[in-house]
Amino acid sequence: ETGVTQTPRHLVMGMTNKKSLKCEQHLGHNAMYWYKQSAKKPLELMFVYSLEERVENNSVPSRFSPECPNSSHLFLHLHTLQPEDSALYLCASSLGTGDSETQYFGPGTRLLVL
Amino acid sequence: AQKVTQAQTEISVVEKEDVTLDCVYETRDTTYYLFWYKQPPSGELVFLIRRNSFDEQNEISGRYSWNFQKSTSSFNFTITASQVVDSAVYFCALSRLNNNDMRFGAGTRLTVKP
Repeated sequence: ETGVTQTPRHLVMGMTNKKSLKCEQHLGHNAMYWYKQSAKKPLELMFVYSLEERVENNSVPSRFSPECPNSSHLFLHLHTLQPEDSALYLCASSLGTGDSETQYFGPGTRLLVL
Repeated sequence: AQKVTQAQTEISVVEKEDVTLDCVYETRDTTYYLFWYKQPPSGELVFLIRRNSFDEQNEISGRYSWNFQKSTSSFNFTITASQVVDSAVYFCALSRLNNNDMRFGAGTRLTVKP
């Protein structure tokens, strides 16, 4: 399998549920990202990991908790979400974070919070 | 501040027509990078091109071409002889020297009708 994969592709959860999104990259990259894409809004960068260390957290609410156990895997743990958190969550990876390396994206997880 | 403006929210053309997608950016940096991505209905952002601020040479790749003009802070994308498979949302993005501050435009939805 190549590129960046994300599971699940679709997720429906209640506001009291706990779920996790998974991202895996097979490109040998060292940096991984979580983005949120809401309807009619530009992509919003949520978190950046470089060599498994979090280097960016763009004022994301604590109900979103990222985890990067190794350079190939990235998780986004979700708990007590709100309906406004419904969006497409995109994962990306790049060779590094320096010199604006090109980011390669996964297909996204479409999340609906009821 | 970094900002990307894609003024065209939606464009509709008939197959074989040429179409240009506009992108205007704002930055105070002298070194920056510009990108175009394609997002088909499947959701995945597909990388199309990366251009650094010191390279104003226009680029052509098959039916795709890009016109980078620093004087007008624009990085426009033209599809020649459009095809139905070109239907997607196209995003222009601007990045500083590191990827922690990559800004996307709101996207232009292109519909190519047979």
